[in-house]
Amino acid sequence: QSALTQPASVSGSPGQTITISCTGSDSDVGGYAYVSWYQQYPGKAPKLIIYDGFNRPSGVSNRFSGSKSGNTASLTISHLQAEDEADYYCSSYTISRRVFGTGTKVTVL
Amino acid sequence: EVQLVESGGGLVQPGRSLRLSCEVSGFDFDDKAMHWVRQAPGKGLEWVSGISWNSGRIGYEDSVKGRFTISRDNAKNTLFLQMNSLRPEDTALYYCAKDHSSFWSDSNNFLDHWGQGTLVTVSS
Repeated sequence: QSALTQPASVSGSPGQTITISCTGSDSDVGGYAYVSWYQQYPGKAPKLIIYDGFNRPSGVSNRFSGSKSGNTASLTISHLQAEDEADYYCSSYTISRRVFGTGTKVTVL
Repeated sequence: EVQLVESGGGLVQPGRSLRLSCEVSGFDFDDKAMHWVRQAPGKGLEWVSGISWNSGRIGYEDSVKGRFTISRDNAKNTLFLQMNSLRPEDTALYYCAKDHSSFWSDSNNFLDHWGQGTLVTVSS
């Protein structure tokens, strides 16, 4: 069973915009519109930051946005800040299970 | 405030068993699906198992099928994971997570609250 594919790392300077991709297949990302994204700081539990592809839970900064095209979902972080340095995971439903992405480490230069 | 507190982790020899628990509070436990997600040291997240609100629908990741059993006691607001025939590759931090939906297998579900995890180490 394959995880969704994410870049291992993405970096940017404060104030810049970065995008993290999450590539799956017709069986997961492409077949279902509802990708979620999670932020995880070292030693901490994951936190939901995007659900249903592009919605933000209450309290999550509007600098985070989600989108999807075909079999690839994307998380965009605008006006990058030092506090955004963390690991990010996408997740999708697929037949009879859930699947997570491989994870992306975001570094703020 | 939603709280999920895992317990039951520890060091166990290969082939042995362990039972994890997750006590929850702050929401209607008997109305929500629940999940177990694990994270091996230095690795990414891996979904392990999900259970619907009434235990009517259950799913497992392939590598744990036949060895792990998820269950819940709605009267006690507690989720369980019975892990048998443990292998070194099962070593991980195991998180309990709440679904926003009643059924874990809904295509529009997502995990909106997580516990802090309990560490399982399988080693001789």
